[in-house]
Amino acid sequence: QVQLKESGPGLVQPSETLSLTCTVSGFSLTSYSVSWVRQPSGKGPEWMGRMWYDGDTAYNSALKSRLSISRDTSKNQVFLKMNSLQTDDTGTYYCTRERRATYDYWGQGVMVTVSS
Amino acid sequence: DVVLTQTPPTLSATIGQSVSISCRSSQSLLHSNGNTYLHWLLQRPGQSPQLLIYLVSRLESGVPNRFSGSGSGTDFTLKISGVEAEDLGVYYCVQGTHAPWTFGGGTKLELK
Repeated sequence: QVQLKESGPGLVQPSETLSLTCTVSGFSLTSYSVSWVRQPSGKGPEWMGRMWYDGDTAYNSALKSRLSISRDTSKNQVFLKMNSLQTDDTGTYYCTRERRATYDYWGQGVMVTVSS
Repeated sequence: DVVLTQTPPTLSATIGQSVSISCRSSQSLLHSNGNTYLHWLLQRPGQSPQLLIYLVSRLESGVPNRFSGSGSGTDFTLKISGVEAEDLGVYYCVQGTHAPWTFGGGTKLELK
């Protein structure tokens, strides 16, 4: 069945770089696009960026200067790197599969806290 | 960016009651290809969001048919016909017609 699982550090120092990995199973990264979505505690979700099925990328303009998304299809993994983290980057980070211009499967999420 | 405004922000209901949630868009969500990419998600407490309805009114596989969606253009509604305890949580509308895809602010459904 379709599964996505995020992994990465739970605590990041201010100004440091966040690195997250999304490992997928049950579908191919060359057939479906995968997005990263984050959610501050008690707030709504925010789309961060996308790895298209064809290898192209798209980014939220508000984060574009700090964000990079890549993939390794042989390992079924999508990667997120975001630099210059600040406290308002604290929240839960999800990877999601896309279908019909929406998010049909979500990972369990990884809680990231930006704090010294 | 497209702004989706959900009302009400909080909804109190009893088990068995029917309720509706509104989602209004700052722009028409009718795509040039004829599809309207407005969808509904439910986030239960402590869980990831899950897809309930896609393309305005199509029920995702496994979702009970007490959920229904309707609307067009800029005005959309999610209806739950007979709330059950497992329906509690936060509902989000999300649009995929205009880049970047955006989410509504959420409607929290709680027990009265």
